[in-house]
Amino acid sequence: EAGVVQSPRYKIIEKKQPVAFWCNPISGHNTLYWYRQNLGQGPELLIRYENEEAVDDSQLPKDRFSAERLKGVDSTLKIQPAELGDSAVYLCASSLAGEGADTQYFGPGTRLTVL
Amino acid sequence: GEDVEQSLFLSVREGDSSVINCTYTDSSSTYLYWYKQEPGAGLQLLTYIFSNMDMKQDQRLTVLLNKKDKHLSLRIADTQTGDSAIYFCAESAANSGYALNFGKGTSLLVTP
Repeated sequence: EAGVVQSPRYKIIEKKQPVAFWCNPISGHNTLYWYRQNLGQGPELLIRYENEEAVDDSQLPKDRFSAERLKGVDSTLKIQPAELGDSAVYLCASSLAGEGADTQYFGPGTRLTVL
Repeated sequence: GEDVEQSLFLSVREGDSSVINCTYTDSSSTYLYWYKQEPGAGLQLLTYIFSNMDMKQDQRLTVLLNKKDKHLSLRIADTQTGDSAIYFCAESAANSGYALNFGKGTSLLVTP
């Protein structure tokens, strides 16, 4: 079974440029999460989807970040415009039903460097 | 948000036991987890414990939970060089949709 797929794996952009990350969760997983992991830190939740609905986006900086999960499967996270402080690894995770005992499976992440 | 605290580094010799400690503040935490992250790789769930349990054992891994003190530990028996990685403690609660709240991670170095 394929795991959580993310692309690109690495992205280098100049500040003020837009950037987008893509995530394909494990087939059948209804809950999808985007986390951001700064260097030397643990991941922090940005947004959580139940199917196509964003049920928790309280930590998403909405002035520059946006996300969508059309049809409740793939998801895209966008930053426009990017700032130097956005350099981090962006992780996507999915779980079957968002229950505590459901394992969250993580993708390999997209490492973003903003110059 | 609520805090999850871990020591940053631990070094052990191969064959010894490793104990990684974690404290958390959210009294509504329902599940507590240990994740492993190897360089350049994603996060891998090692084990988790429900908050009404005080111990869980899975092969070389033993998780102890002291709910009163909000203290979680992970013991790795017979630590191997392949266990060198960053170990993250995390908690989740129903009121946050079971989104994971992570500590900063403990970097475990296993020396021959």
